[in-house]
Amino acid sequence: ETGVTQSPTHLIKTRGQQVTLRCSSQSGHNTVSWYQQALGQGPQFIFQYYREEENGRGNFPPRFSGLQFPNYSSELNVNALELDDSALYLCASSLDRTGANSPLHFGNGTRLTVT
Amino acid sequence: AQSVTQLGSHVSVSEGALVLLRCNYSSSVPPYLFWYVQYPNQGLQLLLKYTSAATLVKGINGFEAEFKKSETSFHLTKPSAHMSDAAEYFCAVSSSGGYQKVTFGTGTKLQVIP
Repeated sequence: ETGVTQSPTHLIKTRGQQVTLRCSSQSGHNTVSWYQQALGQGPQFIFQYYREEENGRGNFPPRFSGLQFPNYSSELNVNALELDDSALYLCASSLDRTGANSPLHFGNGTRLTVT
Repeated sequence: AQSVTQLGSHVSVSEGALVLLRCNYSSSVPPYLFWYVQYPNQGLQLLLKYTSAATLVKGINGFEAEFKKSETSFHLTKPSAHMSDAAEYFCAVSSSGGYQKVTFGTGTKLQVIP
């Protein structure tokens, strides 16, 4: 069984640029969530995608957007990068959009540095 | 609103000693509670999950946690620490709803001293 894979593993961008991060969900998982983990902090929920639609969002501005594809893979897009966007971005997939029967399975993350 | 508070950002134990990592939750509805572990430069791995089936939850790698509603606590324990347990541990909470939003604590770094 293939786990959650994310690419790239590291990325350096300049303030004001745009970035796209990619995630392949675990086999059979139809729900993908994205989390931002700043240095020394716990992960914070950005949003969740289920069947190609955003069905839940945390306290992040609209310049954070996403997509989910028919094969359940996903992208996180961040526009107009700010220095505070520097963080580890984690993708997680699950079998169940509500979490009642399936916990999150995390990838190893993408480390984004904004200079 | 749901939240968790982890007491102690750093905990040091000797190899073979008891591990106790503390977590208190705040939730307006019966919660799902989790403990995750994060090794350096890696994502989070689920240790265990509480879903109201039993108050004592056993997880992987010899860890367990006890749900105490009266104390709003969900502390993580392991009888005997191993060097490989050194990592950062996150307590987390989510509530049932249309989507799974997991709220994490700030984490506790566990150091195991040989």
